[in-house]
Amino acid sequence: DAGVTQSPTHLIKTRGQQVTLRCSPISGHKSVSWYQQVLGQGPQFIFQYYEKEERGRGNFPDRFSARQFPNYSSELNVNALLLGDSALYLCASSFGRSGNSYEQYFGPGTRLTVT
Amino acid sequence: GENVEQHPSTLSVQEGDSAVIKCTYSDSASNYFPWYKQELGKGPQLIIDIRSNVGEKKDQRIAVTLNKTAKHFSLHITETQPEDSAVYFCAALGSWGKLQFGAGTQVVVTP
Repeated sequence: DAGVTQSPTHLIKTRGQQVTLRCSPISGHKSVSWYQQVLGQGPQFIFQYYEKEERGRGNFPDRFSARQFPNYSSELNVNALLLGDSALYLCASSFGRSGNSYEQYFGPGTRLTVT
Repeated sequence: GENVEQHPSTLSVQEGDSAVIKCTYSDSASNYFPWYKQELGKGPQLIIDIRSNVGEKKDQRIAVTLNKTAKHFSLHITETQPEDSAVYFCAALGSWGKLQFGAGTQVVVTP
């Protein structure tokens, strides 16, 4: 079975631009979470989506938004990019929302560089 | 607020020795504690986890212990091998699927 897939693998953007990252969860999983991992640190929670609805949001500005599609894939959008947005963006897939499903499986990530 | 502290930040061990990584958490509501291994250029890989109703769990050379009263949990790797070299992260599950991660431990296993 395919694991979590993310695209693109790498991305270089200029300050002020907008970016869209994509994630496909493990087949049968209905929940997708997004994390930001700055070099040398642990991942930081951005969003969780379950059944196409936002179920949790971390401490990130409104420039960050996401959505989940009927096939449970998800997009993360970041507007007005700042240098500090440079990071590895990780998508995690789980069967259900917190409470009846715990295990989260991560994709390989998208490396975003903002210049 | 929610916080997970992880120690040590780096750990060098000889092949065959044991490695122990310790974490503490602050959110009393946390009831699930996974450990992830992250190799260079890859996403975190779930290697073992423990739920709050269990004190210890083993999977071959890896074990995790949990002391919910003290809010401590630890990862134990026995008979370390060079392929165990990686960054290891502990995490605690909060509300709505939010995993709160520690800062990571760089483990280096020297032959």
